Amino acid sequence: DAGVIQSPRHEVTEMGQEVTLRCKPISGHNSLFWYRQTMMRGLELLIYFNNNVPIDDSGMPEDRFSAKMPNASFSTLKIQPSEPRDSAVYFCASSWTGTPYEQYFGPGTRLTVT
Amino acid sequence: DQQVKQNSPSLSVQEGRISILNCDYTNSMFDYFLWYKKYPAEGPTFLISISSIKDKNEDGRFTVFLNKSAKHLSLHIVPSQPGDSAVYFCAATTSGAGSYQLTFGKGTKLSVIP
Repeated sequence: DAGVIQSPRHEVTEMGQEVTLRCKPISGHNSLFWYRQTMMRGLELLIYFNNNVPIDDSGMPEDRFSAKMPNASFSTLKIQPSEPRDSAVYFCASSWTGTPYEQYFGPGTRLTVT
Repeated sequence: DQQVKQNSPSLSVQEGRISILNCDYTNSMFDYFLWYKKYPAEGPTFLISISSIKDKNEDGRFTVFLNKSAKHLSLHIVPSQPGDSAVYFCAATTSGAGSYQLTFGKGTKLSVIP
């Protein structure tokens, strides 16, 4: 299996621009998670989906952030407008019902907002 | 407020010796704990887990110990190998809460010296 796929791997954008991060979970997994990693806050959960439905978005920092999962094989995390404080590594992870806590992470997208 | 704390940002160990990574938690509702390992430019990978009904779980060179009364867990790696050099994250969750959310510590960087 290819594992969790994220794109792009690196994104550099200017403040105020829209940023879209993409994720393809492992086939057969029914839960998908978006995390953000920063030096200050570590690895924090932004939102997660179960069977394509958002379950917990309490970690989404503000209305500038939105996430969608239109089908079982694709999800996006959008930031509009982006700000320098959004600079971080964003990870997508997936898991299946049998072992929901054993999450498989993608390689991450390093976002830099200037 | 950090609910999962890894107080040692880094640890250096000689090859062949034991590595002990520590983790403390404050939320008494946590009942399932995991360790993840992360190499540079990759996402975290699941390593080992333990339920609160146990006090020890072993998988090859890796053993996790749980002390519920002290709200403390540790990961032992014996013997340590250079390939174990990575950042190790402790994570915790409340398994019966209907949520798959994991709370992560900030990580400990392990360096195994040949």
